[in-house]
Amino acid sequence: AQSVTQLDSQVPVFEEAPVELRCNYSSSVSVYLFWYVQYPNQGLQLLLKYLSGSTLVKGINGFEAEFNKSQTSFHLRKPSVHISDTAEYFCAAAYNQGGKLIFGQGTELSVKP
Amino acid sequence: GAVVSQHPSRVICKSGTSVKIECRSLDFQATTMFWYRQFPKKSLMLMATSNEGSKATYEQGVEKDKFLINHASLTLSTLTVTSAHPEDSSFYICSVRLASGSAETQYFGPGTRLLVL
Repeated sequence: AQSVTQLDSQVPVFEEAPVELRCNYSSSVSVYLFWYVQYPNQGLQLLLKYLSGSTLVKGINGFEAEFNKSQTSFHLRKPSVHISDTAEYFCAAAYNQGGKLIFGQGTELSVKP
Repeated sequence: GAVVSQHPSRVICKSGTSVKIECRSLDFQATTMFWYRQFPKKSLMLMATSNEGSKATYEQGVEKDKFLINHASLTLSTLTVTSAHPEDSSFYICSVRLASGSAETQYFGPGTRLLVL
C-alpha cells in the first residue's frame, strides 16, 4: 500500500541551528512529493513540492528538500532555523495525476532560544 | 498558488444541531475540492472529494448522510455536519486542487474548529 512515513514525531532544536525533518515514501514509478507547514489553529501552507526535474527543490522561508529516488526519501532541511519556524510539518505524496494526497504523521518542530 | 477561505473559522453548537462550513476558492475556479478532518496532534484524514456539479466521493468509513457535501459552483463547496454530536468536534480543513502542467497541487484553507457541546 502507498504510504508516507515521517520518522520523527518531534524535533527540538536551538535557534540558528540546522534542521532536517525526515520523510520516506513508498516506492512508485510516478510520485509527486510535498511539504506543508501548519501553524497552531491554522490550515496547511505549501512549503515546497517536487513534481519532476531537479531533485533539489527550494521552497519558501529558506527551506529546501531533496528527492532521493534510490532511498525513497524527501527530507526537508533548513540551514538555520528561527523561533518562528516552530510549527507542525507534514510530508505528503500523490502517486498519480489527480491522485489523493497521502500524508505522513507530521513532525512537530520546536525551536528554542 | 491559490487562495482558499473557510467560514466560519470557529463554531460552537449544541448536540443535535446541524452546522454548515463553507470553503471558497477566491482566485480561480476549482472543479475539485477536498474535505479533511484533523484530530489534535494528528495528521489529516481525507473525508471526501467534492466535485462540482456531481456527487461527492466519500472515503471508506465516512458517513455520507452525516457529512453532506455540496459543490454547487466552481468557487464554493460546503460541508454540513448533520445532527452533530460531541465526537464530531474536530478541525475541518478544505483544499482545492490546482493543475499546473502535468501535475497538480492542493492548496488548503485556514480550517474550521467545530466544538459540539
